[in-house]
Amino acid sequence: QVLLQESGPGLVRPSETLSLTCTVSGYSISSGYYWGWIRQPPGKGLEWIGSVYHSGNTYYSPSLRSRVTISVDTSKNQFSLKVRSATAADTAVYYCARGNVGAGGDYWGQGTLVTVSS
Amino acid sequence: SYELTQPPSVSVSPGQTASIPCSGDKLVDKYPCWYQQKPGQSPVLVIYQGRKRPSGIPERFSGSHSGDTATLTISGTQAMDEADYYCQAWDDITDWVFGGGTKLTVL
Repeated sequence: QVLLQESGPGLVRPSETLSLTCTVSGYSISSGYYWGWIRQPPGKGLEWIGSVYHSGNTYYSPSLRSRVTISVDTSKNQFSLKVRSATAADTAVYYCARGNVGAGGDYWGQGTLVTVSS
Repeated sequence: SYELTQPPSVSVSPGQTASIPCSGDKLVDKYPCWYQQKPGQSPVLVIYQGRKRPSGIPERFSGSHSGDTATLTISGTQAMDEADYYCQAWDDITDWVFGGGTKLTVL
């Protein structure tokens, strides 16, 4: 059974960096698939942030590319998200997910709420 | 950037068929998927590659796609199907793209 679990601070100060980690169990990240971050502001829809492929290649949403970095640590079977210069608009539930081209996101984490506020 | 358009809401009576459309340029070539999300829960994949159903998803969920439109159909809709539904496509430039979501009300 593949499980994904997000972790990180629930409160981030404006202008600081939002950092989250997704720990994967039941499947080795280095074996394949891609690993993505998606967020959902309160009461709003889903927004793709970016993805990292098992090869290490990364893809980012054009609207967030200048502030986002996604990296992978295969030794810990984790991948991480950093959003720099956070603002209130970055307040959202953040999900990590596993997917494949054309196959959708088949496993998702439970999501973690991050609030950007002073 | 690539965009997907969904109606904000759809209503259906219990036992009837619900259809939720999603439109985007040449969507048929972008492996459309559908997710169900209930309040406070993570999205669940219900259709991928336009018409395939993951294991464990009831047969009443089906998908179709042609040209610029993909459609999620729920036959014999049940109260438990009330949820938000999101379409998603794969774009060469922006990778994942989500539609704005459709709230399905069963009344």
